[in-house]
Amino acid sequence: DTGVSQDPRHKITKRGQNVTFRCDPISEHNRLYWYRQTLGQGPEFLTYFQNEAQLEKSRLLSDRFSAERPKGSFSTLEIQRTEQGDSAMYLCASSVREQGARSNEKLFFGSGTQLSVL
Amino acid sequence: AQTVTQSQPEMSVQEAETVTLSCTYDTSESNYYLFWYKQPPSRQMILVIRQEAYKQQNATENRFSVNFQKAAKSFSLKISDSQLGDTAMYFCAFMKHSRSGNQFYFGTGTSLTVIP
Repeated sequence: DTGVSQDPRHKITKRGQNVTFRCDPISEHNRLYWYRQTLGQGPEFLTYFQNEAQLEKSRLLSDRFSAERPKGSFSTLEIQRTEQGDSAMYLCASSVREQGARSNEKLFFGSGTQLSVL
Repeated sequence: AQTVTQSQPEMSVQEAETVTLSCTYDTSESNYYLFWYKQPPSRQMILVIRQEAYKQQNATENRFSVNFQKAAKSFSLKISDSQLGDTAMYFCAFMKHSRSGNQFYFGTGTSLTVIP
């Protein structure tokens, strides 16, 4: 399978616990995005990496959230001291800018990690 | 700020019929891209079709086509010959270029059910 993979698919945790999710992008993709999706909503941007550099973070990403992409390949998203409001699906997407186009880009998504905070 | 609006939370269509999903967006950008993504029950978002704003010709991918009205900031998706496998959430998305990368904005989605 050469698509974007995310692990785990489901995570149930108690409020106050820390959780970590992993995303493995498509191997030749240098861009990696994290999104959060709640029921009835579209994905909301959290953060973005180009190679190992975290270039942009949303205001949604509070100081309890941290993301890394240490070697420019897989990425982790950690949520510390989880709250019930963190319950959502966390989507990872990767992309590569197409040749010859200034801005052209297509996102390829993983299946997401569904987080439930009790 | 960019916003993407999908005003139809739910739609249904008979198998083999045609359905149109609406999307409007608001932006001050002149160069951008628009996308339709499909999210079936398996949850994986799949790209359906893409449109460059500078191209006047509407994009087409097999049974999927768009009606892009740049002045009206409208980007609707037409699905012809609907199939049961088309049942999914459909998200309209807008992409603009920024110095640090590209920003994607998604609508709230339209849940499409294809009825046998």
